[in-house]
Formats: sequence, structure tokens, C-alpha cells
Amino acid sequence: DAGITQSPRHKVTETGTPVTLRCHQTENHRYMYWYRQDPGHGLRLIHYSYGVKDTDKGEVSDGYSVSRSKTEDFLLTLESATSSQTSVYFCAISESAENQPQHFGDGTRLSIL
Amino acid sequence: AQSVTQLGSHVSVSEGALVLLRCNYSSSVPPYLFWYVQYPNQGLQLLLKYTTGATLVKGINGFEAEFKKSETSFHLTKPSAHMSDAAEYFCAVSNSGYSTLTFGKGTMLLVSP
Repeated sequence: DAGITQSPRHKVTETGTPVTLRCHQTENHRYMYWYRQDPGHGLRLIHYSYGVKDTDKGEVSDGYSVSRSKTEDFLLTLESATSSQTSVYFCAISESAENQPQHFGDGTRLSIL
Repeated sequence: AQSVTQLGSHVSVSEGALVLLRCNYSSSVPPYLFWYVQYPNQGLQLLLKYTTGATLVKGINGFEAEFKKSETSFHLTKPSAHMSDAAEYFCAVSNSGYSTLTFGKGTMLLVSP
């Protein structure tokens, strides 16, 4: 299995609080991705990174920011959490962008009350 | 733009029966296609992928898929379902020049004894 660790695995917080999720990889892959998974919507891309300090927006980026200061770490921040951001968040990594598969972490279940 | 349509949010089969999960894609250029499986409370696991070459692709756990360009399809099949195949399955598409995957909304496979 690809070495991907997401932390925390579960979190409950209140509306308006900041939240940071961490994705750590030991594979030295260039590409890293953050998705959210909601019933009926499949996986939707939030942000992705194609190198240290290089990031881009995905389909549902509003309300989220990311940072990548090291190859192995990709952080997802909710500056002021809202109930609509209650979801399961997955990190994925890929050696290259196009014809290589993405490998997924085990997810973070985030509940915002 | 890319898109993926998975026909049927739920598919039910009996143990030992044929499994057929449908995936149609839209892409303006030759696609790269992937099938992933997700077991409860886990991340996504790659089943198989099509990039170039042979259009019939074999994956893990006895699954296979056939790329049909004329039908813009990449349906997933398994000759004989097993109880352990019960999970959610996702089809995804990428292509040259894109750094991201587009996922379908998923199909839940239910296997009854």
C-alpha cells in the first residue's frame, strides 16, 4: 500500500472555527490531491498540488485553502468551518498526472456542528 | 471538458452471477480510464486502468473492463460475484494535458447469498 497518512481520522468541531487536515506521504510523489466525498456526489476535487508551493483549485475550492511547504506534506485548511463542509475528506497522491493512478489515504471524517 | 456517467447508483446481484457495472465518459481527446473500489470506512483502491494498447484490461480480484471508443464506454465486469465484492465502485477519466481525475458518482454493488 502507498504510504499515505491522513490526520486526524475523525474530528468534530463547531461552525466558525478553523480546521486543518494533514496529508503525509512517504512515496516522494509529485502530485497530491484533496477530495471530499458526499452521498450522491462521488468524489469532488477541492485543491491539488503539482510540486512544493505549486497548487491549483479544483471543482469545489470555495471555503478551502491549501499549502505544501514540503514534498511529503499537503495541508487542507477550512478558515471558518460551516456545516456544509461536513464530509469525508480524502487525500490522494500520484507519481505523475496523466496516465498514472492516484493512491488514496483512508480519509478524515469531519463533522461541523 | 471531461465527464463520467455511471448508470445505476445501486446494482444487486446474487452470489455467482455476472457483475456488470456501466461507465460512459466524455472526452475530447483519447482518455485514460480507471476503476476504483471502496470498502466501508476505507479509501479508494485501484482495480484496473486503461491507458493505451489492449482494450480489454484485467484487474485485481477477477475484474476486467473493456474500452470501447465507439461507444465511449468502459464497463466493468466479473464472471461470478462473491460476497466480498460488495462495495462501492467508481469510474474515473483523465487524459493528456490534464492533471486531475474526474470521477463518476459511484455504483454500490450489493451481493446476496
